[in-house]
Amino acid sequence: KAGVTQTPRYLIKTRGQQVTLSCSPISGHRSVSWYQQTPGQGLQFLFEYFSETQRNKGNFPGRFSGRQFSNSRSEMNVSTLELGDSALYLCASSRTGGAHETQYFGPGTRLLVL
Amino acid sequence: DQQVKQNSPSLSVQEGRISILNCDYTNSMFDYFLWYKKYPAEGPTFLISISSIKDKNEDGRFTVFLNKSAKHLSLHIVPSQPGDSAVYFCAASEQGGSEKLVFGKGMKLTVNP
Repeated sequence: KAGVTQTPRYLIKTRGQQVTLSCSPISGHRSVSWYQQTPGQGLQFLFEYFSETQRNKGNFPGRFSGRQFSNSRSEMNVSTLELGDSALYLCASSRTGGAHETQYFGPGTRLLVL
Repeated sequence: DQQVKQNSPSLSVQEGRISILNCDYTNSMFDYFLWYKKYPAEGPTFLISISSIKDKNEDGRFTVFLNKSAKHLSLHIVPSQPGDSAVYFCAASEQGGSEKLVFGKGMKLTVNP
């Protein structure tokens, strides 16, 4: 079974631009969560989507948004990029997103904002 | 305020010996705990989990211990192998919580041949 895939793997943007990242979950998984990893803050939860609806949200500004499609693929968008948005963005999927379900991570998209 | 803490940033052990990775948490509502391993340029890989109704879970060379009264969990790797060298993250979740997983900042394990 194929794992979680994320595209693109690397991205360079400049301040003020916007960016869209894509995540395809494991087949049969309907919950997709997004995390940001930075050296200072570690891995932080951004939001979770299930059945095309945002179900949970972390403590990030409104510049960070996402959506999920009917095939469970998800996109994450960051508008008006800031230097501090440089990070590894990780997507994780699970079957239903239950609290005791293991989440499986993709390889991440590394974003550099100049 | 960090809810999941991995206070030691790194650990170095000899091949064949035991590696013990520690994790503390502050939120008493956490009821599910996981360990992930991460290699550079890859996403975290799930290792082992434990529910708060248990105090121990084993999977091959990996054992996780949970001490709820101390709000402490540990991962034991026996015997340690050079391929275990990676960054290990402790994570926790709460039934009905707003965050899917709350992670510690990670600990770099180096297993020397």
